Amino acid sequence: GAGVSQSPRYKVAKRGQDVALRCDPISGHVSLFWYQQALGQGPEFLTYFQNEAQLDKSGLPSDRFFAERPEGSVSTLKIQRTQQEDSAVYLCASSAPPGGFYNEQFFGPGTRLTVL
Amino acid sequence: DAKTTQPNSMESNEEEPVHLPCNHSTISGTDYIHWYRQLPSQGPEYVIHGLTSNVNNRMASLAIAEDRKSSTLILHRATLRDAAVYYCILRPLYNQGGKLIFGQGTELSVKP
Repeated sequence: GAGVSQSPRYKVAKRGQDVALRCDPISGHVSLFWYQQALGQGPEFLTYFQNEAQLDKSGLPSDRFFAERPEGSVSTLKIQRTQQEDSAVYLCASSAPPGGFYNEQFFGPGTRLTVL
Repeated sequence: DAKTTQPNSMESNEEEPVHLPCNHSTISGTDYIHWYRQLPSQGPEYVIHGLTSNVNNRMASLAIAEDRKSSTLILHRATLRDAAVYYCILRPLYNQGGKLIFGQGTELSVKP
């Protein structure tokens, strides 16, 4: 079955460029998460949506980072004026509708962003 | 949030059991213990979770200490495909659907 997909898988940007990373969650999943994973580190939470509502953006490192999910399905993570420290793998995860006691998160393969 | 501590790396031989430890001495009574793993060049995937009792599923077993201050993920027969980073994560009862807080994890290598 279709899992979480992300595009592009790899992105190279020059410092100062804007980038947009896309996430297609599993159909019907209400919750969507973005994580950032630096080389050799565990993933770090960036932001969380429930349907189209962004309920938690406490992990976004600066106001250059912006995420949206306008129709409650596909999400886009945008990074403006990219810096070298933004180089990382950006992971998207989705989870099943609330109501269950525990919601396993299903991760996409990630987008590897390299800022030169 | 309660913190977990895991060894940075472990080695195993193929087809032998592997015991991956996790310390969580500040765990609260309502924290669930979850394990995820991340294969090379992939996103993390769920492995198993538990509260107090030992748990088994098709992937692994989870042994939880009686005082809940530590737990062990057990792979009964390691295969080359089990080479991954394994993360032990605590999830509060009130936040079972929320964000995951990953530590450094344990990088498991499996030798043929």
